[in-house]
Amino acid sequence: DFVMTQSPDSLAVSLGERATINCKSSQSLLYGSNNKNYLAWYQQKPGQPPKLLIYWAYTRESGVPDRFSGSGSGTDFTLTISSLQAEDVAVYYCQQYYRPPLTFGGGTKVEIK
Amino acid sequence: QVQLVQSGAEVKKPGASVKVSCKTSGYTFTSYPMHWVRQAPGQSLEWMGWINAGNGDTEYSQNFQGRVSITTDTSASTAYMEVSSLRFEDTAVYYCARGDSSGYPRFLDYWGQGALVTVSS
Repeated sequence: DFVMTQSPDSLAVSLGERATINCKSSQSLLYGSNNKNYLAWYQQKPGQPPKLLIYWAYTRESGVPDRFSGSGSGTDFTLTISSLQAEDVAVYYCQQYYRPPLTFGGGTKVEIK
Repeated sequence: QVQLVQSGAEVKKPGASVKVSCKTSGYTFTSYPMHWVRQAPGQSLEWMGWINAGNGDTEYSQNFQGRVSITTDTSASTAYMEVSSLRFEDTAVYYCARGDSSGYPRFLDYWGQGALVTVSS
């Protein structure tokens, strides 16, 4: 199984500042035939289900603010919130879909400093 | 709009079974797969398996092989997930989540509200 490791476990960022979350896969998520990285990012607020933010490593889901961006390739990926807003307080998860079983990272909790 | 509405919370004894439903609306049910993901208290997300709602093909995580069954009722646009031989560690929120229309297990774009299953003696 693909093991997804996120860092840090939590971070506190001032409003308007940048938040950066890392995700590392135990195996490459880059599929050679289509040059796509099989990685998604989700946001989960307390008491709510996860919400899809980004797929194919950097494609933003419809309606997701452009302050959220994804980058990386192969085994190392990053989710960046360019200017943290109060409503961004949540736990963020990465997920690989290169091969079943689908696996998620352990989550990164983002708080306001 | 796409909606996935799950059945309510359940309390079960160890060894019992539980069946959670996920009623959908707002899209063509048979054109998208349905996945099930669970989240134990304070923990990350764990994928359980998925079903191709068009032909009924299923695939399960090895962690649940033999204890989980995912089915659909296409006439009711509803998916079901049943876990048997419940253990204390099965206490979790169980989510249904729609997959993309590619026919492969990929990202999950719409989620149900979750159903808390508590296993307690």
